[in-house]
Amino acid sequence: QKEVEQNSGPLSVPEGAIASLNCTYSDRGSQSFFWYRQYSGKSPELIMFIYSNGDKEDGRFTAQLNKASQYVSLLIRDSQPSDSATYLCAVNRGSGGYNKLIFGAGTRLAVHP
Amino acid sequence: DTGVSQNPRHKITKRGQNVTFRCDPISEHNRLYWYRQTLGQGPEFLTYFQNEAQLEKSRLLSDRFSAERPKGSFSTLEIQRTEQGDSAMYLCASSPSSQETQYFGPGTRLLVL
Repeated sequence: QKEVEQNSGPLSVPEGAIASLNCTYSDRGSQSFFWYRQYSGKSPELIMFIYSNGDKEDGRFTAQLNKASQYVSLLIRDSQPSDSATYLCAVNRGSGGYNKLIFGAGTRLAVHP
Repeated sequence: DTGVSQNPRHKITKRGQNVTFRCDPISEHNRLYWYRQTLGQGPEFLTYFQNEAQLEKSRLLSDRFSAERPKGSFSTLEIQRTEQGDSAMYLCASSPSSQETQYFGPGTRLLVL
C-alpha cells in the first residue's frame, strides 16, 4: 500500500461544475496535508494546506480533512479550462521540526468547455 | 524574480557521465529540499538541508548521488556515472523554518541516453 493514494484519473468535468479530488493516506500520525497543482512540464505550485479536521476555503478551492478516515479532498468550484492540470496530494512525514513531503501520484483533471 | 531558481533547466547526457545541478532557494529560506519526479508519479523526497547541514537522505539517494549546501545558500546535486534510470525531473524546494509549506523551483529535466 502506498503512503498516499490518489485516483490517477483523468477526471473530466464540464466548465462551471465542481471538481472533487480525493486522497487517502496510510500514516495515522500525519498532521499536515497539502494540495499542489502541476501543469504538464512544469513544477508543482502550492494551492492549499490543511492541518485541522473540517473544511478550509480559499477562493474557489476548499480542502477537506477527515483524520479519522485518513482522507483529504480538494473541491474546485466553478471549474475553468485553466484548472486542467494534475493535482498532487502531499502529506508531511517529517520529524524534528522539518518537512518531508510524501506525494501521491496525482489526479489529472480535465475541464472541458 | 524572487522564487526558487534551478539551473540548468534541461540536461542531456550520455550514460556514465557526471552531471551537476544547482538550486538557489528563496533568499530568506533556510530549509532546502531535493525531490525527483518521473513521468506519471509524484515527486519523491531525496534529501533535506537545514542551513548547510544535510539532515536526511532518502534511500533513493544511492552512492552515486551527492548533495551539498556549503554556505547555507545555494545547493548542488551531483549524479556520478549516470544511468538511464536517472532520467527524471529534479526538483528543488525551499521553506523558511517558520512554515511547513514548500515552494518549488522550475526543475531540471535530465535525460540520460
